[in-house]
Formats: sequence, structure tokens, C-alpha cells
Amino acid sequence: GAVVSQHPSRVICKSGTSVKIECRSLDFQATTMFWYRQFPKQSLMLMATSNEGSKATYEQGVEKDKFLINHASLTLSTLTVTSAHPEDSSFYICSAIPGTSGGRSYEQYFGPGTRLTVT
Amino acid sequence: GEDVEQSLFLSVREGDSSVINCTYTDSSSTYLYWYKQEPGAGLQLLTYIFSNMDMKQDQRLTVLLNKKDKHLSLRIADTQTGDSAIYFCAETVYAGGTSYGKLTFGQGTILTVHP
Repeated sequence: GAVVSQHPSRVICKSGTSVKIECRSLDFQATTMFWYRQFPKQSLMLMATSNEGSKATYEQGVEKDKFLINHASLTLSTLTVTSAHPEDSSFYICSAIPGTSGGRSYEQYFGPGTRLTVT
Repeated sequence: GEDVEQSLFLSVREGDSSVINCTYTDSSSTYLYWYKQEPGAGLQLLTYIFSNMDMKQDQRLTVLLNKKDKHLSLRIADTQTGDSAIYFCAETVYAGGTSYGKLTFGQGTILTVHP
């Protein structure tokens, strides 16, 4: 149980275009999902917290107009990188916390990641 | 603020024990985690420990927590080549609900296991 999927696993796009990445919790519902960015051989940097039915909460320094997050259902959150540039190339990972009641869950389940390359 | 530090590299021989160390700064950490990441993949939760515990053992994994020194370690017994990966420690800090579920990660330790 507790599987999180991401789609696509890899994407190459041209500079200036937009790319949408999906994060799904396959066998549980999740009110809260997170989006992380990982640079090569570096740690994960939290970009934003995605809450079902409300606006995402972005970390300091993350451009909300560039990284659009939509958490439309209890099993799906999407990250859209708008007007992508080569510096947006990275490994994007989502995670989900099981639960819908707002109670605390101390385990996050991570997706396999999406490798974005902007040419 | 929250800061988590790890040594970057560890190399061991197959069959030996591996010990990966981590230090953290925030004394209000509630849970501390160890994650494993294989190349090109997401993170796999290995184990976690609540901050009022000193030790947790799970098969080949032993987590030790020294709250006084804010030091966390992960010991892998009988390390195998399949254990080669990046290991991240992470902490969850709760601060009035605004940090709910947010993880702060260390830089990751690259574990290389030699045959």
C-alpha cells in the first residue's frame, strides 16, 4: 500500500513552453501533498505544500506564477512549470501524507520523481 | 532555523556495518527520518524515530538518537551491494501548524558498498 505515482517520469521540452507534472496517490487519499526539487547530488528543496481544495503554500523564493500547483482531488496534485527555461531543468519529486481528516500523519510517501530537461 | 547536516560519502566493504551520521539544530523536532534514494528514483522511507526515543531497531537497521547532542545515526548491519544508494536524514518540525508535515532534509550521504 501507500503508493505515489508521478507522470511523466521524464520530459524534455523547449524553452518557453509549459510542462505539467502529475502526482497521484494510488491507494490512499491525501489532503496534503508536497512538491520538492532536487538538483544533482544535492538535497531536496521543498517548493510548496499542496492542499486539496485550497491554494498552495509556497516556500520563500519559489515563484508561484512560474510553478503553478493545483490539488483538484484527494488523489491528484499537479505542478505546471510555465515558460520553462534551462535553469528549471531538475528532478521534481512529490510526496503525499495519507489522511483526509486533517489529523497528523508522520509518514510521507514519495513519488518516483520526474526528470525535466529544458532545451 | 532548521538545519540538517550529514557527511557526504561513506564507503564500506560488503558484510561490514555502515554507520551514517546526521546532526540537526532544531530542538523542537518531533520526528526524525531516514530515507533511501536509488539512482533516478524517488525516496523510500527506511525508518523513523520519535524524538522522545533513544533507539529503534528494525531488522538490519538501528537508529540511535542523542537528543542532547542533536545527533542521529543509522547503522546498517551486514551491508550488501544493494544497499548502495543515497541516504537522507530528515526532520519534521511542528510550529503552530505552519510546518505541518514539512520535512527538512540533510544533503544526503552517498553509501558505496564494495564487494
